[in-house]
Amino acid sequence: DAKTTQPNSMESNEEEPVHLPCNHSTISGTDYIHWYRQLPSQGPEYVIHGLTSNVNNRMASLAIAEDRKSSTLILHRATLRDAAVYYCILRVTTSGTYKYIFGTGTRLKVLA
Amino acid sequence: DTEVTQTPKHLVMGMTNKKSLKCEQHMGHRAMYWYKQKAKKPPELMFVYSYEKLSINESVPSRFSPECPNSSLLNLHLHALQPEDSALYLCASSQDLRGNTEAFFGQGTRLTVV
Repeated sequence: DAKTTQPNSMESNEEEPVHLPCNHSTISGTDYIHWYRQLPSQGPEYVIHGLTSNVNNRMASLAIAEDRKSSTLILHRATLRDAAVYYCILRVTTSGTYKYIFGTGTRLKVLA
Repeated sequence: DTEVTQTPKHLVMGMTNKKSLKCEQHMGHRAMYWYKQKAKKPPELMFVYSYEKLSINESVPSRFSPECPNSSLLNLHLHALQPEDSALYLCASSQDLRGNTEAFFGQGTRLTVV
C-alpha cells in the first residue's frame, strides 16, 4: 500500500496561516488524498479531500502537487480550536475495495 | 443525523472475558470500518464491511470477530484478549466505497484489558 509521511509537529501563531505538508511519493493514479484531524479524546474529523486539482472548503484548502507526490493542507487563519493532530490519508484501491491508510500525523500547536 | 455512535465509551475486561463493541449509524452508509488506535499513534485499519459483507480483514487475530447484522450496525466481538490489545477502537462509515466521499468516525471505545 502507498503511504504518507508528515512532520511530527508544527507550531503556528493564532490568526496566521498554517501550511501542513504531506509526502506520498508512492501514490497511484486512483488514490484519493484525504485530510482528517483528531482532537484529544475524540474520533477523527473530516477536513478535506482531493484527487488532482486543488480544493477549497469552509475549513481549509488542499494544494496538490502536479505530480501528486505531495500535498499541503492550508488553514487560512489558525485559531486555538485548530490545535489537533492532522492526518494525511490515502484512500487506496485493493481488489476493487477501498481502505483509508492513515499517515503518522502532524501535531499542530497554536500559540495565542 | 451525521453521527456514528459507539458503545460503550469505556470498557475494562479480563483476559478470559467475552465482550462486544457496538457501532451504529443512520446515514444510509453502506461501508463500515473498524480501526484500532494505540496511544500517540495513528489509527490502523482492522476490518471493512461493504453492503453487510466483510471486504477487508487486515490480518487481524481471530480473538477479534466482526459482525454486521444490518446496514446500520457493526459489532466487534472480543474474546481472550491480551493486555497489548488495550487501545481506542474506532468505528467509521462512508456512503459507499468510492473515495470521493468522506468517512465519519465515532468517538471510539477505550478498551483496557487486565
